[in-house]
Amino acid sequence: ETGVTQSPTHLIKTRGQQVTLRCSSQSGHNTVSWYQQALGQGPQFIFQYYREEENGRGNFPPRFSGLQFPNYSSELNVNALELDDSALYLCASSSGLAGGVTDTQYFGPGTRLTVL
Amino acid sequence: QKEVEQDPGPLSVPEGAIVSLNCTYSNSAFQYFMWYRQYSRKGPELLMYTYSSGNKEDGRFTAQVDKSSKYISLFIRDSQPSDSATYLCAMSALGGTSYGKLTFGQGTILTVHP
Repeated sequence: ETGVTQSPTHLIKTRGQQVTLRCSSQSGHNTVSWYQQALGQGPQFIFQYYREEENGRGNFPPRFSGLQFPNYSSELNVNALELDDSALYLCASSSGLAGGVTDTQYFGPGTRLTVL
Repeated sequence: QKEVEQDPGPLSVPEGAIVSLNCTYSNSAFQYFMWYRQYSRKGPELLMYTYSSGNKEDGRFTAQVDKSSKYISLFIRDSQPSDSATYLCAMSALGGTSYGKLTFGQGTILTVHP
């Protein structure tokens, strides 16, 4: 186990609703990255937070937003849910200055979101 | 064209076989190469991490990177049923907005049968 926890484990929402997913970093880690993993695909980078600031964003629309708190835990918010948002949402934590490209990213178990 | 291409398989081998998993990539800025293993209903866990070209060995696992061909491989020797999982290659570049971003392949589903 990596020490990265995510909640909830599963979530079912309907199209147009809003959702908030939560992530607790591994102890000592100050950087959190969020990824979306559609069924049968590899994870896709959504964004990264370092010390409460967004530090890089992937090709996702603005309705995907996030927060990082002083204790380095993080939230992913998705507004106006679409059917294609159904996926496993993974967070990964890492340590060091801005996470660093060489820092190992430790993944949580993910939150499985189903949009009906 | 995707930046990272990985054959999704599935790949089925008998216990004890040598397994070869591969990825190709198009972005020459990638400098860091990783292999993750993902069991069903779990998050990915890091198996191997390599910087630039070369080989790295860890127990039954060997990672190879050939930057001139933009090709990376993971070899598993003496495969075990417990190795059955999805294997994901991942890569990252230096600096800029790609800082910390991992770009993954699609994942290869591996089954090792007794």
